[in-house]
Amino acid sequence: AQSVTQLDSHVSVSEGTPVLLRCNYSSSYSPSLFWYVQHPNKGLQLLLKYTSAATLVKGINGFEAEFKKSETSFHLTKPSAHMSDAAEYFCVVTDTGRRALTFGSGTRLQVQP
Amino acid sequence: GAVVSQHPSRVICKSGTSVKIECRSLDFQATTMFWYRQFPKQSLMLMATSNEGSKATYEQGVEKDKFLINHASLTLSTLTVTSAHPEDSSFYICSARNSPKETQYFGPGTRLLVL
Repeated sequence: AQSVTQLDSHVSVSEGTPVLLRCNYSSSYSPSLFWYVQHPNKGLQLLLKYTSAATLVKGINGFEAEFKKSETSFHLTKPSAHMSDAAEYFCVVTDTGRRALTFGSGTRLQVQP
Repeated sequence: GAVVSQHPSRVICKSGTSVKIECRSLDFQATTMFWYRQFPKQSLMLMATSNEGSKATYEQGVEKDKFLINHASLTLSTLTVTSAHPEDSSFYICSARNSPKETQYFGPGTRLLVL
């Protein structure tokens, strides 16, 4: 069984300040982990993925995430928020056997000018 | 990168009618496609997994006779919501991949409103 917990349903930051979106996971297998972003009324875009290579993963638009097995965490960070980063962010874990995705509940990022 | 399209992007229908949603992989062969639904301000919930040429595998609680899935080719899967009711109103999103080790690519979604 696998699950994902996104610890914050809503995060608000000022433009130019750091972003931290928290994610904890549970998996019976060595997990693959993803972060997706969804802008209003749009589909999902892959930001980055971890698949058992380097624990620090760099993604698009300046985002990165660090896989910490001891803490079962995969938090998403960005050094400096931009207005265009305002969106819904989903942390996702795979079921290694079926490769189906299990989504977290989502974190809405608001960026204040 | 890989592109997945959905059609229509938005549909409004009367209660009791059926609606078909198409999901296409535009530049790769999708051996597996997934269908999700997303209620307002909620996460995506997997409805079913379909492999080309095989019957779809439905998640627990999803009525297979109500949500008909066809994956007849390597680039097209369809979801038909039969006898739609207002509670079926939702955002339906498909995704596709060409092998188990590959990333899933998501379509832009279809917003269904049943009156």
